[in-house]
Amino acid sequence: AQKVTQAQTEISVVEKEDVTLDCVYETRDTTYYLFWYKQPPSGELVFLIRRNSFDEQNEISGRYSWNFQKSTSSFNFTITASQVVDSAVYFCALRSLIQGAQKLVFGQGTRLTINP
Amino acid sequence: DTEVTQTPKHLVMGMTNKKSLKCEQHMGHRAMYWYKQKAKKPPELMFVYSYEKLSINESVPSRFSPECPNSSLLNLHLHALQPEDSALYLCASSPTGSHEQYFGPGTRLTVT
Repeated sequence: AQKVTQAQTEISVVEKEDVTLDCVYETRDTTYYLFWYKQPPSGELVFLIRRNSFDEQNEISGRYSWNFQKSTSSFNFTITASQVVDSAVYFCALRSLIQGAQKLVFGQGTRLTINP
Repeated sequence: DTEVTQTPKHLVMGMTNKKSLKCEQHMGHRAMYWYKQKAKKPPELMFVYSYEKLSINESVPSRFSPECPNSSLLNLHLHALQPEDSALYLCASSPTGSHEQYFGPGTRLTVT
């Protein structure tokens, strides 16, 4: 069965601090895809990154970085020098194929609050 | 243009009403999705359309009726809803395969 666990329900930090959001996944597939989405208060889910199982290189995009470790089934997300605009709910998701169509299995989300 | 649009943004309806939610994308994506999201919960998949054909129905009650008239448009017809159906309804699209899904801003539905 496919499962994504985001153990941190809520995180609150002061602006400019670094913060890491944890994501642990379970899958029996040998090829799989992982995603991170951001959901600000407006409600729209914003795609941040996709990572496939055969590419274990870490990724950096500006203040965002992702650490993918197959050995521990983790795909963690770090925001460096956080800003108030980073406040949102962040979802980690795992792609599952059902009847030829892709389905995203989401974690429960981590609500991140950046205080000025 | 990486945009998925949804109308209306807000909808209040009574339990005897019939209404429809609309979703549109012009990115040439051939897969489209409806999700339901309750407060403080992750999105839950309702339906998947692939090449305008329904490929996944996650055991959604028949009071929700999806329709995909063409590759750019996805509708969700609502009839005889219950108050517990109040939620944020999100539409998404993706190229077929293993690509990311792009989400619209959602419709906040309140059933009275």
